[in-house]
Parts: sequence; C-alpha cells; structure tokens
Amino acid sequence: DAGVIQSPRHEVTEMGQEVTLRCKPISGHDYLFWYRQTMMRGLELLIYFNNNVPIDDSGMPEDRFSAKMPNASFSTLKIQPSEPRDSAVYFCASSTQVTVPHFGDGTRLSIL
Amino acid sequence: AQTVTQSQPEMSVQEAETVTLSCTYDTSESDYYLFWYKQPPSRQMILVIRQEAYKQQNATENRFSVNFQKAAKSFSLKISDSQLGDAAMYFCAYRSTPLVFGKGTRLSVIA
Repeated sequence: DAGVIQSPRHEVTEMGQEVTLRCKPISGHDYLFWYRQTMMRGLELLIYFNNNVPIDDSGMPEDRFSAKMPNASFSTLKIQPSEPRDSAVYFCASSTQVTVPHFGDGTRLSIL
Repeated sequence: AQTVTQSQPEMSVQEAETVTLSCTYDTSESDYYLFWYKQPPSRQMILVIRQEAYKQQNATENRFSVNFQKAAKSFSLKISDSQLGDAAMYFCAYRSTPLVFGKGTRLSVIA
C-alpha cells in the first residue's frame, strides 16, 4: 500500500503564475478529497469526488480554482492565476464509504 | 451542516501524565464516524483513533482512548502516560461524507 501520493511536496512561485497540484489516491478508493490548511482557517474542504465525479465543490474559494479527476488514479487542483493569499498547505485524501480517510503528505504552496 | 468545535486551542501536559482534549459536534444524523487525527511538525495527518456512532463502547488504542457521549455530542480524547512524541496538533473530525474538522488543539509535552 503506497498511500496517497501528492506532488510536488513544496511549490514556490510568483503571483499570477499557474499552479497545478497532483494527487494519486490509494487504489480501490472511490472518494477523493482536497483540503486546504491555513493558520487562520484551519482545515477546509475544497472539493470532493466520488467515482471521479465532483460531488461538492462549494468550498472552492473562487473561479481561479479548479479541480479535475480524469480517472480513478489521478486528480489535479489548479490555481490560475495564483495570488499570495493562496499560500497554504494543500492536502489530498482518499477513502471508500466505510474506510478511514488516508491523507497524503500535503503540498506546501508559497505564492510570492 | 455539521460543525465540529475544539474549545482548547492549546494544551500542555507533563511527561507521563494524562491529558484530555475536548471536542463537541453538531449533527442531525444518527449514523456517523468520529476521528481524532494527529499532525506532528512533519505535517502528516495521522489517524489516532476512530469511533462509530452506533457503538456504545468507547474506542481505545493503546495509550489513547475516547469518551464518546452521543446524546451530548461530545467526543474527547484522553492520552495516558504522555510522551514527548505526543506533542502535535490534534484534530477532531466528523464524518458522514466528507470529513469536517475542528480547528485543532496544539498539545505540548513538558519533560
């Protein structure tokens, strides 16, 4: 069991650039979650998928954020254009309906 | 919508002593799961313990145990024989789907 794999682990980029975060869920898990963690707001759910279909994207802050899950083994979270207030740690997690959600190691994103 | 409240932003405990972290939640559902996750400075999210709402027996994992009071919607975590490695952020989480997290409690362990 390789666990949830996120890349990159760290990303530093300049304001206005496009950022793409990647996630590979655990094989067999049909739920995938994207969370954002900041000191001010804690852990916030951005979006989650079930069987590759977005179920709830109400946590996506604005149109600059988009997420896709083209197949059961891959998901992306994209920010375009990025802003300094997007700086945070972004987590991906996966699970089945009855298993405990497993988290990746997160991507620390810094927008200068 | 479900909410999770952790009323203690910070706690400290002497090594080898016992500490209890509080968590309350709000839901209208009858079947759900509750979790405690630990986040050390490495930022990994590590599952500490889980509780199914239909089970009356409190979950226990080695030095970690919970006090689950369903009617009161309370789910506290007790850490016995605290160790330096227990120092971390602890998050209480509620799940039907997806997980809803509390703001966390930062636990310090004093040698």
